[in-house]
Amino acid sequence: QVQLVESGGGLVKPGGSLRLSCATSGFTFSDYYMSWIRQAPGRGLEWVSYISSTGASIYYADSVKGRFTISRDDAKNSVYLQMNSLRAEDTAVYFCTRGQSRSIGWFDPWGQGTMVTVSS
Amino acid sequence: EIVMTQSPATLSVSPGQRVTLSCRASQGVDTNLAWYQQKPGQAPRLLIYGASTRATGIPARFSGSGSGTEFTLTISSLQSEDFAVYYCQQYNYYYTFGQGTKLEIK
Repeated sequence: QVQLVESGGGLVKPGGSLRLSCATSGFTFSDYYMSWIRQAPGRGLEWVSYISSTGASIYYADSVKGRFTISRDDAKNSVYLQMNSLRAEDTAVYFCTRGQSRSIGWFDPWGQGTMVTVSS
Repeated sequence: EIVMTQSPATLSVSPGQRVTLSCRASQGVDTNLAWYQQKPGQAPRLLIYGASTRATGIPARFSGSGSGTEFTLTISSLQSEDFAVYYCQQYNYYYTFGQGTKLEIK
């Protein structure tokens, strides 16, 4: 059974940093692209970043470019999102998702999400 | 950026009804289109990818169609568990989602 479990969310002040983690199981992690998607309270879904199966290809949404860094550790079957210079508009539930083996494509499955609140 | 527009924003329907949700892309995305279902407090669940291929375990009452800029998700006979928010997502050029259509009980 494929599982994605996020952790690391919490309350942080504007300008602060947070590191999200996503532990996975039930599939060959090193074969897949991984992505982070967020959802602000009461709002829709926004793709944040992806990392390819090899880690050689990384992309970010313009809204987080230069502030967020995605990484992966195949030995730990985990993907991470380092978030710096956080802003109020970064407040959201952050979902870890799996893409496909040769591209991102569609997202399946999704973790349960971890809440990030940026507030003074 | 490819903008995805879903209509209507909210749809009030009765169980057993057939419903069709629409999704329009601001530019052509071929069939690189997915649909998700999200219930309150839960993560989205993949329903359809490739515009018309049902994901594993998705009931046959869900079907998708379209290509280019116009897409539809049809639920042939609404069940109580289908009342949720539905999102379309294009993956032809980066990844953008529609704003969602909420199915509510009439």
